[in-house]
Amino acid sequence: AQRVTQPEKLLSVFKGAPVELKCNYSYSGSPELFWYVQYSRQRLQLLLRHISRESIKGFTADLNKGETSFHLKKPFAQEEDSAMYYCALLNTGGFKTIFGAGTRLFVKA
Amino acid sequence: DVKVTQSSRYLVKRTGEKVFLECVQDMDHENMFWYRQDPGLGLRLIYFSYDVKMKEKGDIPEGYSVSREKKERFSLILESASTNQTSMYLCASRRSGGRGTEAFFGQGTRLTVV
Repeated sequence: AQRVTQPEKLLSVFKGAPVELKCNYSYSGSPELFWYVQYSRQRLQLLLRHISRESIKGFTADLNKGETSFHLKKPFAQEEDSAMYYCALLNTGGFKTIFGAGTRLFVKA
Repeated sequence: DVKVTQSSRYLVKRTGEKVFLECVQDMDHENMFWYRQDPGLGLRLIYFSYDVKMKEKGDIPEGYSVSREKKERFSLILESASTNQTSMYLCASRRSGGRGTEAFFGQGTRLTVV
């Protein structure tokens, strides 16, 4: 079965602290993985995708096929990073995007 | 700027009513999706369409149907609204092919069934 698991519903950190949002997936094949973010009163939007190996707003995510993980990391959290974060997997055939339950990140001043 | 537009931000409907949620995209994308977003459950796929007049059930299609008569428009229909369909509904579109193609989302419709 194709599944995305985000074990933390809520993550609260202080400004300037490192942050890691966990994502594990279950998939038979070569996965395409994404992180989407939803800021307050804004629409859901792409943050980054694993194939680009990019850093967006200081966030990075590395695909670990051995551990079937795609954790999102940032070395120094900012208050404006407070948002809902969803890990997502694009399935075989490229039709369906499967989302995790989401993690709400709260960065305290 | 690419756009996915949902016709309503907020809707309040009565139990048993037939409800239409409309979504329009201007990116000429082949694929369109309807999700519902609930706290603790994330986004769950209701239906998707990969071409005009084509549709596929997602993970939670019961109580819903869809229509895609034109490429740019994808409608979600609640045949007989029930209180357990109170939720945030998100429409998305995505082009076919290529790796790393992202989904673009509408602003959401918050539906309350009373």
